[in-house]
Amino acid sequence: EAQVTQNPRYLITVTGKKLTVTCSQNMNHEYMSWYRQDPGLGLRQIYYSMNVEVTDKGDVPEGYKVSRKEKRNFPLILESPSPNQTSLYFCASSLSAPQGTYNSPLHFGNGTRLTVT
Amino acid sequence: AQKVTQAQTEISVVEKEDVTLDCVYETRDTTYYLFWYKQPPSGELVFLIRRNSFDEQNEISGRYSWNFQKSTSSFNFTITASQVVDSAVYFCALSEADGGTSYGKLTFGQGTILTVHP
Repeated sequence: EAQVTQNPRYLITVTGKKLTVTCSQNMNHEYMSWYRQDPGLGLRQIYYSMNVEVTDKGDVPEGYKVSRKEKRNFPLILESPSPNQTSLYFCASSLSAPQGTYNSPLHFGNGTRLTVT
Repeated sequence: AQKVTQAQTEISVVEKEDVTLDCVYETRDTTYYLFWYKQPPSGELVFLIRRNSFDEQNEISGRYSWNFQKSTSSFNFTITASQVVDSAVYFCALSEADGGTSYGKLTFGQGTILTVHP
């Protein structure tokens, strides 16, 4: 089954403790991206990757790192999490660029709810 | 810079009413894509429609219809004869595609919470 898999689904951590949220897709998609969702703010893009070893900042990259060493994986790294990074995070992928293609739109993972205390 | 505004934070209707969700966008590109996504209470994001800037035809899919008007930079979404299962958060989104520095970015609106009461 074609899917984007994020892990973990829920994570509670403390300020300053490094964490990684994994994202993997099995559709051979070139484009991958991370978003955070906060009430009243919608989804905001953190980082995106057009292909392996190519990553770019979205609208809210501060405090986050990403890497794209292989096509299927796009982990989100919080080196020193802070309470303002408490949010719902989504990973997404598409065949090429965020608009995808007519028959292959952007696919989203099920989300990771992160709480930083 | 690209921007999407969904001015309606919350809408509440009674079943069988028609409801329109507004979306206004800003972009300098001539080529761009607009989207609507649905987020039901279960939390996943469900793709509803994609429209490119060169296709201003309105689209109808069952009870859903979309009105794209470049002249007013709007891409509104109408649900006809709403049902309780339509209750969700709806997001409008914009992606520029002219190949500039924002290529690869996808900007979402703030979302509209739709509640359909029985």
